[in-house]
Amino acid sequence: ILNVEQSPQSLHVQEGDSTNFTCSFPSSNFYALHWYRWETAKSPEALFVMTLNGDEKKKGRISATLNTKEGYSYLYIKGSQPEDSATYLCAPNGGSQGNLIFGKGTKLSVKP
Amino acid sequence: SQTIHQWPATLVQPVGSPLSLECTVEGTSNPNLYWYRQAAGRGLQLLFYSVGIGQISSEVPQNLSASRPQDRQFILSSKKLLLSDSGFYLCAWNHRILGNQPQHFGDGTRLSIL
Repeated sequence: ILNVEQSPQSLHVQEGDSTNFTCSFPSSNFYALHWYRWETAKSPEALFVMTLNGDEKKKGRISATLNTKEGYSYLYIKGSQPEDSATYLCAPNGGSQGNLIFGKGTKLSVKP
Repeated sequence: SQTIHQWPATLVQPVGSPLSLECTVEGTSNPNLYWYRQAAGRGLQLLFYSVGIGQISSEVPQNLSASRPQDRQFILSSKKLLLSDSGFYLCAWNHRILGNQPQHFGDGTRLSIL
């Protein structure tokens, strides 16, 4: 069973601040890493699926990097906006069928 | 476009009562289907997944069962609910290429056991 750690658990920033969070996972048997954004009262929304060591993906002001050798991924948000407030989940593959194992998430609150 | 429907949105049930949560997907065929639960203070935990009709795999032992009677229908059930079954239940699907396809989630069911 994969042990997925996300830090920090929660984060409060001012509008316009840039921020980043960490996802750590065992580097053995890696297949892919998913990032999701989960806003209150909505369903989780996929942000990125990353597979290669050194991958860097970008979606607007949000980007992510992947290091499969050391087992971590960073998610960056540039110039945070109140609408970025959400819980950000990472999930590497795990299990006999390559199913996702979710971390507990980082809860981001952006104050206007 | 593909959509996923999950109902009911909220449910309050007494201990010992049965449960049936339904999830359907539209706009795609042969999806992988998943049931997750988020208990209070915990992360999303995979309960069941299915790669086809009648094919169910369980990730953790529990008081729940799942069935897939049709290609795009996934049902979560229990014969007798326990207090520990309380939580937020999410259904999800993705294309049948494991590992590098994102999962798409329903809106969830908030289940409270009294």
